Amino acid sequence: DIQMTQSPSSLSASVGDTVTITCRASQIFNSILNWYQQKPGRAPKLLIYEASSLLSGVPSRFSGRGSGTNFTLTISSLQPEDFATYYCQQSYSSPWTFGQGTKVEIK
Amino acid sequence: EVQLVESGGGLVQPGRSLRLSCAASGFTFDDYGIHWVRQAPGKGLEWVSGISWNSGYIYYADSVKGRFTISRDNAKKSLYLQMNSLRIEDAALYYCVKDMVRRHFTSPRFDYWGQGTLVTVSA
Repeated sequence: DIQMTQSPSSLSASVGDTVTITCRASQIFNSILNWYQQKPGRAPKLLIYEASSLLSGVPSRFSGRGSGTNFTLTISSLQPEDFATYYCQQSYSSPWTFGQGTKVEIK
Repeated sequence: EVQLVESGGGLVQPGRSLRLSCAASGFTFDDYGIHWVRQAPGKGLEWVSGISWNSGYIYYADSVKGRFTISRDNAKKSLYLQMNSLRIEDAALYYCVKDMVRRHFTSPRFDYWGQGTLVTVSA
């Protein structure tokens, strides 16, 4: 199984900051890496697929990049509605595993 | 509008069974793979099982293999999860999740999620 490790597990930031979340895979795979946002009490939402493709309707302040085993999600100019937990997920091979999540909190 | 509505959750004793259902609408159900993803209270996301659009491919997480069975009825636009021999660690909110890509199963991207149905396993 491919293990996905996110860092940090949590971070505090202010509105307007730029934050970067890292997702590292236990083995090299193609860039079928997805990012989700989950707010408390809500279902997750797909933000980015295939490492860097922004889902339609997702603000352009969200961006993803990476390849091999290392991937990042960057949120530029953090907005109040961006405070949430973010998960990466690999779609390379079953079981399609998620990272443990990164909680972005208001400083 | 795509909608996925889960039902069937509840309180069950360890070792007992439960059957979850997911009713889909707003898209051509028989063109898409559908999955179950669960989330234990206060924990992260865990993919549980997935089934391709034509039921030709079915996968399970090791943690549920041999105990859970996924199935779908395309005529009824419904997905099911038969859960047998339930364990304490199966307690979670179970989400029904749609794959983004039509008639594709080997690399799922989960673009629509239901609101989940809660399974509690306790003596």
